[in-house]
Amino acid sequence: GNSVTQMEGPVTLSEEAFLTINCTYTATGYPSLFWYVQYPGEGLQLLLKATKADDKGSNKGFEATYRKETTSFHLEKGSVQVSDSAVYFCALSDRNTGNQFYFGTGTSLTVIP
Amino acid sequence: EPEVTQTPSHQVTQMGQEVILRCVPISNHLYFYWYRQILGQKVEFLVSFYNNEISEKSEIFDDQFSVERPDGSNFTLKIRSTKLEDSAMYFCASVEGGYYEQYFGPGTRLTVT
Repeated sequence: GNSVTQMEGPVTLSEEAFLTINCTYTATGYPSLFWYVQYPGEGLQLLLKATKADDKGSNKGFEATYRKETTSFHLEKGSVQVSDSAVYFCALSDRNTGNQFYFGTGTSLTVIP
Repeated sequence: EPEVTQTPSHQVTQMGQEVILRCVPISNHLYFYWYRQILGQKVEFLVSFYNNEISEKSEIFDDQFSVERPDGSNFTLKIRSTKLEDSAMYFCASVEGGYYEQYFGPGTRLTVT
């Protein structure tokens, strides 16, 4: 079946530090992969996506590359800011299963000045 | 920018009571979804809805749950007789077409006492 595994949190970083949040997936078909972000008190917002192998999604300085060989979609940012403090969710959708989303458990990031 | 809205933002109810959670999807979207997130756990798929009928549902979506699109704008989730374990954040999502990213609402926090 389909599933997503994310690294456990919480993660606390100093401003301007490098961020990596690991995400691996299991899928029966050829999924699309997503990172969503949830700021305190808000809903889930799409951060970036990749729809096929070797695609790189990027937005707001965040990047993730769809790696089919390692079934991974790790989120990275070179220099985090306090405003990046949020919960980050890795997710996949698979045409073979009607496009419902499968989410990871979420990783809470706190960036301190 | 168009967005998905949900009401209420927080609902407190007693065990055994019926609740209706409301969502207004983005106006030109055709596919609608409900997810829930129990505190500290994954975001879980409940049900998808297209062309005025359920297209998929998870094992969580038992006979206590129902969905409806009563008019051209609202999309509702009803829980007939709430249980303590229904306490969660409920997210509505909508999609323009079948295989694009889902747009999520801010969520309704349901507390069953």
